[in-house]
Amino acid sequence: DAGVIQSPRHEVTEMGQEVTLRCKPISGHDYLFWYRQTMMRGLELLIYFNNNVPIDDSGMPEDRFSAKMPNASFSTLKIQPSEPRDSAVYFCASSFGGSTGELFFGEGSRLTVL
Amino acid sequence: AQSVSQHNHHVILSEAASLELGCNYSYGGTVNLFWYVQYPGQHLQLLLKYFSGDPLVKGIKGFEAEFIKSKFSFNLRKPSVQWSDTAEYFCAVNARGNDMRFGAGTRLTVKP
Repeated sequence: DAGVIQSPRHEVTEMGQEVTLRCKPISGHDYLFWYRQTMMRGLELLIYFNNNVPIDDSGMPEDRFSAKMPNASFSTLKIQPSEPRDSAVYFCASSFGGSTGELFFGEGSRLTVL
Repeated sequence: AQSVSQHNHHVILSEAASLELGCNYSYGGTVNLFWYVQYPGQHLQLLLKYFSGDPLVKGIKGFEAEFIKSKFSFNLRKPSVQWSDTAEYFCAVNARGNDMRFGAGTRLTVKP
């Protein structure tokens, strides 16, 4: 299996622009997690899905952030409009049976908002 | 609120030195505990995990961790570090089913 695949690996954009990050989980995994990593706040859970349904989005910073999982093999995290404080590395992770087991992480998407 | 604390932000050691990274959590119920490692430029990988049973857990690459319930701690140890252990180490706790919370991470630098 190719593992969790994220795109783009790097994104540089200007404040106010829309940003879409993409994730393809490992086939057969029924949970998908979005995390954000910054120097100041470490690794924060933003939202997670079970069988494509959002279960907990309490970590989403504000309404500018939205996430979807239209099918079992694809998820997006969208920021509109983006702001410089959104600059971070965004990780997607998937697992089978939730996070009581092992989370498999993607390589991350490094976002820089100028 | 559930939280995970890692005491050291940055640890610098020489090769062959012993390592202990602290991790404490604030949740009184049943927990599952994890250590993940992130090598430079790479994604997070599972190092070891504890669900139940023997509180001393052995993981990959010679790492081990001890769960001390009375202290709400799950410290990571390695008797002799190598230069290749240079990485960031994250403690994580799962206490409410599928909500995995991570500590802020500890950056380990091993000098050759």
